[in-house]
Amino acid sequence: DGGITQSPKYLFRKEGQNVTLSCEQNLNHDAMYWYRQDPGQGLRLIYYSQIVNDFQKGDIAEGYSVSREKKESFPLTVTSAQKNPTAFYLCASSKAGGYWDIQYFGAGTRLSVL
Amino acid sequence: SQKIEQNSEALNIQEGKTATLTCNYTNYSPAYLQWYRQDPGRGPVFLLLIRENEKEKRKERLKVTFDTTLKQSLFHITASQPADSATYLCALRAGSARQLTFGSGTQLTVLP
Repeated sequence: DGGITQSPKYLFRKEGQNVTLSCEQNLNHDAMYWYRQDPGQGLRLIYYSQIVNDFQKGDIAEGYSVSREKKESFPLTVTSAQKNPTAFYLCASSKAGGYWDIQYFGAGTRLSVL
Repeated sequence: SQKIEQNSEALNIQEGKTATLTCNYTNYSPAYLQWYRQDPGRGPVFLLLIRENEKEKRKERLKVTFDTTLKQSLFHITASQPADSATYLCALRAGSARQLTFGSGTQLTVLP
């Protein structure tokens, strides 16, 4: 059953703590993306990667970091520098990051601050 | 600045009626526009893509129009059902941009 798996579904962060959100895909897609969604707002792009070992900043990359060591995996770390991390985080993938690509999304991780 | 606006945050309609959702954009010249459906606590799911040279696209009870002169896309659900209740997002890629930009969505509720 192909798809994108995000874990955990819910995550709590303490002050000064870094937390890592997992995203794995078995669609054999080249491109992967991380979005942040706040209530009443659209999806905002944090980082994206079109190929292994390469990634680019999106519109709101400050306070976040990513890695792309494997095609299937694109973990997102929310660092202590991100002062307002409470949000719904969505991971997506697309076939080749091409112009006409459709994006496939995971079920999301809801991050809250303790 | 570039902006995407979707009509009213919430739209309520009666079952069986046609729902019409609007996506307006400014300062973009998009080559295409996509529509996604998002259920509460879930990720968006792709529905339809319409290119700039297409006036209309249909898929079952769904219809999308794209007017580049008005800078607007309309998304229609005919014979709406309570199961169509969700938030609908439009997204576009403009010119040479390497990423999609999403609107904030319209929450549709179909009342039985």
